[in-house]
Amino acid sequence: QKEVEQNSGPLSVPEGAIASLNCTYSDRGSQSFFWYRQYSGKSPELIMFIYSNGDKEDGRFTAQLNKASQYVSLLIRDSQPSDSATYLCAVNMLGTYKYIFGTGTRLKVLA
Amino acid sequence: KAGVTQTPRYLIKTRGQQVTLSCSPISGHRSVSWYQQTPGQGLQFLFEYFSETQRNKGNFPGRFSGRQFSNSRSEMNVSTLELGDSALYLCASSPTPWETQYFGPGTRLLVL
Repeated sequence: QKEVEQNSGPLSVPEGAIASLNCTYSDRGSQSFFWYRQYSGKSPELIMFIYSNGDKEDGRFTAQLNKASQYVSLLIRDSQPSDSATYLCAVNMLGTYKYIFGTGTRLKVLA
Repeated sequence: KAGVTQTPRYLIKTRGQQVTLSCSPISGHRSVSWYQQTPGQGLQFLFEYFSETQRNKGNFPGRFSGRQFSNSRSEMNVSTLELGDSALYLCASSPTPWETQYFGPGTRLLVL
């Protein structure tokens, strides 16, 4: 079992719709969770992070964390064609000095 | 603040050669991590340095090595290059290993 799993996609949504990206992780000791966006040929850029169970909102983005079920998700409201990218989920466990990344979900927002 | 910088941005080498990549973290960041990204494998963790000490290492052969200097700048070295080492090498910095990482633009290495 992979430590961090994401559906590779592509996930296609129409412009203006809500895109829902999911990530599951295997280690219950995981403490902090991150979502990065990566455009083709570019490096990952941070979208947001979440540490506590529940929802965290930042503009059009909402991260949701459920530690009991070991999943973290990212919702993108009012999706735009410029949101088309690969979204990477990353997990960090305190004391391990290491981030574990999922392989990413490719999102396509159709105009 | 200036972001993470990596040099060189592009590199072409031949099999058997060695290469050194450089990373300058964001000012004040003491943790530097290195990743290899390929289309098939995604982002693979290479190693992490914090306060000049390697704290963790991924599952890569000993040909991959790194170091961190007192000013937090880091270098990674790959010796005896193989075709499979062709990849985007990303450096990420954070204030401490448990805080948010910020990525540099990467060095794209092509091994012929």
